[in-house]
Amino acid sequence: SQKIEQNSEALNIQEGKTATLTCNYTNYSPAYLQWYRQDPGRGPVFLLLIRENEKEKRKERLKVTFDTTLKQSLFHITASQPADSATYLCALGLGGGKLIFGQGTELSVKP
Amino acid sequence: DTAVSQTPKYLVTQMGNDKSIKCEQNLGHDTMYWYKQDSKKFLKIMFSYNNKELIINETVPNRFSPKSPDKAHLNLHINSLELGDSAVYFCASSPSGQGNTEAFFGQGTRLTVV
Repeated sequence: SQKIEQNSEALNIQEGKTATLTCNYTNYSPAYLQWYRQDPGRGPVFLLLIRENEKEKRKERLKVTFDTTLKQSLFHITASQPADSATYLCALGLGGGKLIFGQGTELSVKP
Repeated sequence: DTAVSQTPKYLVTQMGNDKSIKCEQNLGHDTMYWYKQDSKKFLKIMFSYNNKELIINETVPNRFSPKSPDKAHLNLHINSLELGDSAVYFCASSPSGQGNTEAFFGQGTRLTVV
């Protein structure tokens, strides 16, 4: 069956460390993979998009990798700050604009 | 300037009622969506419209009927509300319907059916 899973529901790290979030999927062949941030009571906000022929994408302190053989994406936040605390969602981009979301990983960055 | 706006933000109603949620985007995007986020935070696509035409219609009860009067608006009407319809409903838009561009989400409508 088709599945998309993100690592443990909650991730707690110390300020200044690198946070690494995992997104694994099975029985999908996405052309794109996107990462969003969601704060409580708000809608998801787009962070990064990576295409199937790209290995890595960076934006400021954010880095995403996409391994279509392993069917996995890793999302890194370097030099994390308490303001990075939020839920992070990965989404597979399929045909027709359809996005299939993972359940999200709640990141908490402690000062 | 709110890019994607939904109204109302909160909606509490009794079982069996009919209600509507409105959505408007001022980004000039061609594609609009409705997503449902349940209590476990799973965000699932319900519908997508491209230039007022229905493109995606997931397995959603036919009590849910989207309406797109123009490409800037996508409303969601729900008939005979049930307890299980309680969730947060998000409207979103994107420049294209190909999945290769970011989606912009509204702030959500928290629907509570009692």
